[in-house]
Amino acid sequence: GQSLEQPSEVTAVEGAIVQINCTYQTSGFYGLSWYQQHDGGAPTFLSYNALDGLEETGRFSSFLSRSDSYGYLLLQELQMKDSASYFCAVTYNFNKFYFGSGTKLNVKP
Amino acid sequence: DTGVSQDPRHKITKRGQNVTFRCDPISEHNRLYWYRQTLGQGPEFLTYFQNEAQLEKSRLLSDRFSAERPKGSFSTLEIQRTEQGDSAMYLCASSPQGGETQYFGPGTRLLVL
Repeated sequence: GQSLEQPSEVTAVEGAIVQINCTYQTSGFYGLSWYQQHDGGAPTFLSYNALDGLEETGRFSSFLSRSDSYGYLLLQELQMKDSASYFCAVTYNFNKFYFGSGTKLNVKP
Repeated sequence: DTGVSQDPRHKITKRGQNVTFRCDPISEHNRLYWYRQTLGQGPEFLTYFQNEAQLEKSRLLSDRFSAERPKGSFSTLEIQRTEQGDSAMYLCASSPQGGETQYFGPGTRLLVL
């Protein structure tokens, strides 16, 4: 089976750095994705890691450790508009993706 | 690039009725996915098409659910004999071959009374 664990809620202040962790257990693994979803909106793609290490895209970075079945999303210089839910998702062949339950990020002024 | 579109955006139906949703993916995207999302949860995979071929279907999907992508372009998801538990947001996503990015549509919110 497949299972993904991520914290349900995180709160941080504007300008701070926050890390959202994701641990997974899957019968097969190819890569880990991260998506952002604002209330009432559709998920939007943030990043994808297939290899170990850190991938940086502007204020957002994503990390993967395949040996630990663990990844995280790092958000720097937090802005109010970053308040949203963040989902990690795993795939083993791009035919099917399994999403976590999501982490609700609250950014306070 | 007009993005992924879904129709209708909202649907209210009575228990026992059939409903059909449509998804128009980004043109030239040959991969198309359907998901279901309930409040406070992540998208739950339902089915996957590569062009017109349905290659994956969730074991959680009952026989009341069926999906098609007849010409490898738009797709439809039909739910027969709807139940209150079917109330959810139904999301469609597409991606190009070899691309790890899924582009999601705005979703169809279904309410079964």
